[in-house]
Amino acid sequence: GENVEQHPSTLSVQEGDSAVIKCTYSDSASNYFPWYKQELGKRPQLIIDIRSNVGEKKDQRIAVTLNKTAKHFSLHITETQPEDSAVYFCAASLGGYQKVTFGTGTKLQVIP
Amino acid sequence: DAMVIQNPRYQVTQFGKPVTLSCSQTLNHNVMYWYQQKSSQAPKLLFHYYDKDFNNEADTPDNFQSRRPNTSFCFLDIRSPGLGDAAMYLCATSNTGNEQFFGPGTRLTVL
Repeated sequence: GENVEQHPSTLSVQEGDSAVIKCTYSDSASNYFPWYKQELGKRPQLIIDIRSNVGEKKDQRIAVTLNKTAKHFSLHITETQPEDSAVYFCAASLGGYQKVTFGTGTKLQVIP
Repeated sequence: DAMVIQNPRYQVTQFGKPVTLSCSQTLNHNVMYWYQQKSSQAPKLLFHYYDKDFNNEADTPDNFQSRRPNTSFCFLDIRSPGLGDAAMYLCATSNTGNEQFFGPGTRLTVL
């Protein structure tokens, strides 16, 4: 089955700096890659996703890049703010009704 | 507002006493998922339904069962909860190939 590795497990940045979280996946057939943000005690919420026919996607301060050949994808957050502090999960899926496999999570702390 | 609803939000049960968690959705999504999430860990998929087709994860204990009587509702039954089953249980829904929408979760405590 699919295996998703995520690094780093914790990340501290100064407010205004950029943060990068990296993930690798094992199944070359995976074609849907969502990123979820989970604040303490709350549900995971989708912040951005990318499909395998696209190499990069951006939404304001958040961007995701995908390298299908290397089977890795990354989340980039620019101009970080304290409210960006949360746990971020990457995930990979074969699409359709197939399950989503989550990475192990990255705890991001933005220091004011 | 269309949403995913979970009841109860907090459930306390005794060791070995059966418990049922419920999930309902107004999104009319065809896929529903049950996840177990322990502190500082990723959500772990227990099972999912594509319409009425049930898909069990290989490592989901037999102690966990699920029912989906109709499109809107899905239940998680824990037949004999152990201390290790204390966790947040998250329900999620999606349309085929699209974003998963998570409910607020049920926090289960086992005494």
